[in-house]
Amino acid sequence: GENVEQHPSTLSVQEGDSAVIKCTYSDSASNYFPWYKQELGKRPQLIIDIRSNVGEKKDQRIAVTLNKTAKHFSLHITETQPEDSAVYFCAASITSGGYQKVTFGTGTKLQVIP
Amino acid sequence: GAGVSQSPSNKVTEKGKDVELRCDPISGHTALYWYRQSLGQGLEFLIYFQGNSAPDKSGLPSDRFSAERTGGSVSTLTIQRTQQEDSAVYLCASSLATGYEQYFGPGTRLTVT
Repeated sequence: GENVEQHPSTLSVQEGDSAVIKCTYSDSASNYFPWYKQELGKRPQLIIDIRSNVGEKKDQRIAVTLNKTAKHFSLHITETQPEDSAVYFCAASITSGGYQKVTFGTGTKLQVIP
Repeated sequence: GAGVSQSPSNKVTEKGKDVELRCDPISGHTALYWYRQSLGQGLEFLIYFQGNSAPDKSGLPSDRFSAERTGGSVSTLTIQRTQQEDSAVYLCASSLATGYEQYFGPGTRLTVT
């Protein structure tokens, strides 16, 4: 089955700096890669996603890159702000024939220091 | 519109008792997932329903865990003979279809004493 590894497990950055979280996956059939943000005590919420036919996607201060050959994808947050502090989860999803298998990474706790 | 809802929000039960956790997905969402999240940990996949297809039960940790989804909408996760290691937050999520964003519910915090 699919295996998703996420690094680092914790990350501290100064406000205004950039943060990068990396994930690798094992199954080359994975074709959908969402990123979720979970603030303390709250539910995970999607912040950005990318499909396998795209190499990069941006949404304001957030970007995701995908390297299908190397089977890894990364989340980039620029100009970090204290409200970016949260746990971030990557996921790799195989969607085929109306069926989906989603595997989450173990999460990265991001702390933005004011 | 209404998001995913779960009930109860908190449940405290004695070891050995059975519990039922309910999830109301977003109307029209064909896919429904259950996850378990222990304190400070990641999302552990439990079970996935897609339309009328047979559910993917590959994540259920033991035969004490079961789930059903009636009428393609509401889902119930049942844990029989609860154990202390079952204590966690149980999250439900739904999505419009496969390969789309999952919308998570607020979770049910289960404490087994």
